[in-house]
Amino acid sequence: TQLLEQSPQFLSIQEGENLTVYCNSSSVFSSLQWYRQEPGEGPVLLVTVVTGGEVKKLKRLTFQFGDARKDSSLHITAAQPGDTGLYLCAFPGYSSASKIIFGSGTRLSIRP
Amino acid sequence: DTEVTQTPKHLVMGMTNKKSLKCEQHMGHRAMYWYKQKAKKPPELMFVYSYEKLSINESVPSRFSPECPNSSLLNLHLHALQPEDSALYLCASSQGTISNIQYFGAGTRLSVL
Repeated sequence: TQLLEQSPQFLSIQEGENLTVYCNSSSVFSSLQWYRQEPGEGPVLLVTVVTGGEVKKLKRLTFQFGDARKDSSLHITAAQPGDTGLYLCAFPGYSSASKIIFGSGTRLSIRP
Repeated sequence: DTEVTQTPKHLVMGMTNKKSLKCEQHMGHRAMYWYKQKAKKPPELMFVYSYEKLSINESVPSRFSPECPNSSLLNLHLHALQPEDSALYLCASSQGTISNIQYFGAGTRLSVL
């Protein structure tokens, strides 16, 4: 059983559409991270959310941490082909050199 | 410079070969990590080095042997691998002092024949 479940597992949409990816758990987290991994590359950190209810924006990407700190969402407005990749939510652990627990992942494909 | 460099990018090896994967960072980070990633799956942690000492081994088979010669370098020595070990091997580093923000390399795509 995955600690962090992401949905959907796979999403293919047309350029210009909006989408939301969800990251859910029954556990409470002190913080959650979102990574994007493009084909042939390693994951790149997009954002860390630490406060329940927090909303962070990164250009067309909006990240939200649930009020109870058990879930998070990523909303993309007007998706572009460059948004294509594997999106991973993750719990970075409690110490500075600890195991990152990754979510199950959402593969996003944006068609031109 | 926020780069983690991994070599080689691609590696094909037989089950009797011995090979090594290399990882290098010059960000002054004191924690370094090896991950294994199968297709369409999230990365799975293998090893963590903190201040050049092995701090986490996620029950990885002994045919994978990590080494941290100094604070900038991390190696993964491979011996007698199995075809199911074929995967993308990712290296990452983090400050190791405050937050656990990890910077990943592009990975080594390993195929075991």
